[in-house]
Amino acid sequence: ETGVTQTPRHLVMGMTNKKSLKCEQHLGHNAMYWYKQSAKKPLELMFVYNFKEQTENNSVPSRFSPECPNSSHLFLHLHTLQPEDSALYLCASSSGTVHQPQHFGDGTRLSIL
Amino acid sequence: EDKVVQSPLSLVVHEGDTVTLNCSYEVTNFRSLLWYKQEKKAPTFLFMLTSSGIEKKSGRLSSILDKKELFSILNITATQTGDSAVYLCAVLRISNFGNEKLTFGTGTRLTIIP
Repeated sequence: ETGVTQTPRHLVMGMTNKKSLKCEQHLGHNAMYWYKQSAKKPLELMFVYNFKEQTENNSVPSRFSPECPNSSHLFLHLHTLQPEDSALYLCASSSGTVHQPQHFGDGTRLSIL
Repeated sequence: EDKVVQSPLSLVVHEGDTVTLNCSYEVTNFRSLLWYKQEKKAPTFLFMLTSSGIEKKSGRLSSILDKKELFSILNITATQTGDSAVYLCAVLRISNFGNEKLTFGTGTRLTIIP
C-alpha cells in the first residue's frame, strides 16, 4: 500500500473512446501530479495541481484533460487518443515542500488499439 | 533544457556483488536529487540528497551527492535477488510557477543473478 491508489490498473481502449483514469491519495498531501512513462523513455511530467488548482501543464495535448475536484482526488480524462499514447500513467502526490519526496501510485497501463 | 543521465543503462551481476549506479545532471534552480526503485509497479522512494558530500545510508544501500561535479552515485552492497529493479534518478527543481518539478533519468535496470 503506497498511500496513492490508481484505478484502473489496466485499460485497453480504441482511439475513439472516452475513458478516465482515477487517482486518490490518503497521505494528506497538497500537491498531485500526472506522469507518463513510455518504454525506454524517462518519466515525463504532464500536469501539476497544488491545492486543487492546476499550476502547470507541460505542453500536453488537449486529448488529455485533468480534473482535480479536491486535494485527495485527481482524474485524467482521455478522448480520441493515439497509439503513441500507450504507456504507463503514474500519479504522484507530495506535501508541496522541497524537503519531502513525491509518492507514486502503481499506475494505469494504457493500451490504445 | 534540464537533463538527467544515468549509467549504465543496464547491469547484470551475481548475488553478493557490490554495484554502483551513476547519475549526472544539468538543471536550473536545483533543490535536491532523489533516487527511486521501480519494480513492476510504483516507484518507491529511496533517498533524497540536498547537501553535497553527505552520505545517506539505508541498510545495504547508500548514496552521495556532489553538487560541484553535478552527479550522484547509488551503491548497493551484498546484492540480493530482491534488489533486481529499475533504479531511477530524479532531480527536483522549482519551476517558474513555484512548483516542484522532478526531471527523471531513463533509469538503470539492475538484474541480480542467484
